Amino acid sequence: DAGVIQSPRHEVTEMGQEVTLRCKPISGHDYLFWYRQTMMRGLELLIYFNNNVPIDDSGMPEDRFSAKMPNASFSTLKIQPSEPRDSAVYFCASSFQKGYGYTFGSGTRLTVV
Amino acid sequence: AQSVTQLGSHVSVSEGALVLLRCNYSSSVPPYLFWYVQYPNQGLQLLLKYTSAATLVKGINGFEAEFKKSETSFHLTKPSAHMSDAAEYFCAVSYKLSFGAGTTVTVRA
Repeated sequence: DAGVIQSPRHEVTEMGQEVTLRCKPISGHDYLFWYRQTMMRGLELLIYFNNNVPIDDSGMPEDRFSAKMPNASFSTLKIQPSEPRDSAVYFCASSFQKGYGYTFGSGTRLTVV
Repeated sequence: AQSVTQLGSHVSVSEGALVLLRCNYSSSVPPYLFWYVQYPNQGLQLLLKYTSAATLVKGINGFEAEFKKSETSFHLTKPSAHMSDAAEYFCAVSYKLSFGAGTTVTVRA
């Protein structure tokens, strides 16, 4: 099992540009989560999906952020337009059931200059 | 809303000494509780989880945690610290994983 795969590992972009982060969950996992980690705010849940359907997006900071899960093996988190305050490490995690404990990807370190 | 509080943002221990990381939770219903470890520039790895079975939970790398409802606590311990235990540790509650602020562990030789 390759685990949760995120790409890219690092992304440097200019303010105002669109950024797309990608995640491939573990096969058979029905839950997919997107988290953001910063020094100031720690780990924050942005959105989670169950069976490809967004269940709770209350953590999405603003309309510039959007997430999709077109199928069970792929999800994207998009920021448009990006701002310097979006600089953070973004993690994707998946699980096959609630409360089981989640497998995290290695994260995408986003820097917006 | 369910939440956790980790007491102490930084813990320093000698190699071979007890590691004790404190976590208190706030939940109106029986919670799911987790401990995760994060090594530098890596993702989070599950150490152990409590899901209303045994109150003493054993995890990987010699760690264990005890669920105490009366104290609303879920402290993490390891009897003997190893240099490789140096990392950041996070307590989390609920299936949506509401994380604590984290505790950084350093191990002195």
